[in-house]
Amino acid sequence: GPKVLQIPSHQIIDMGQMVTLNCDPVSNHLYFYWYKQILGQQMEFLVNFYNGKVMEKSKLFKDQFSVERPDGSYFTLKIQPTALEDSAVYFCASSLGRTTNTEVFFGKGTRLTVV
Amino acid sequence: GDSVTQTEGQVTVSESKSLIINCTYSTTSIAYPNLFWYVRYPGEGLQLLLKVITAGQKGSSRGFEATYNKETTSFHLQKASVQESDSAVYYCALGDPDSGTYQRFGTGTKLQVVP
Repeated sequence: GPKVLQIPSHQIIDMGQMVTLNCDPVSNHLYFYWYKQILGQQMEFLVNFYNGKVMEKSKLFKDQFSVERPDGSYFTLKIQPTALEDSAVYFCASSLGRTTNTEVFFGKGTRLTVV
Repeated sequence: GDSVTQTEGQVTVSESKSLIINCTYSTTSIAYPNLFWYVRYPGEGLQLLLKVITAGQKGSSRGFEATYNKETTSFHLQKASVQESDSAVYYCALGDPDSGTYQRFGTGTKLQVVP
């Protein structure tokens, strides 16, 4: 079936540095999402993106976070600067339509460790 | 706002026995939400198991069933006879058809099927 690919699967970064998480969504999908899951906790919505713009973001989407998808390439989540509490698994997802009744396809996640 | 509650973090069931994983939801929307079950097998990304978008209806897939009960605001996942290959983490999710632009997830229930 359709796949969402996330690169890399694991990244370790020094606190204060910048990190970019890459996501290759399903090719014909129009809506893109990032979720964050801290170990042992709930997977929580960060942000979604459609037609080149952020549609909605949660309070977890701090000012240090940004997303973009330049020219239909990777959908990226950038954190600059990183903080220790940013350590989590970040899941990228995409869907063809709005998610309220449409299947969402998820990647396997990128485990970010901030040291 | 909308939320999803899964009370069991982990469930252990013997092979060929029946399973029920609990899910309840709450919503501030006037419209009934769309409800989903997703599953994450070891080493894989989250994938849709079943969905129901009409209150009172039942969804089914791969031997699993869930009935959308608007009276009790529940969407429990059931299977009559589990197999070891069903061992995975199961997530209940909700989509608000009125105003939501993303799906909200429960905390997940890890199912371990033992011989």
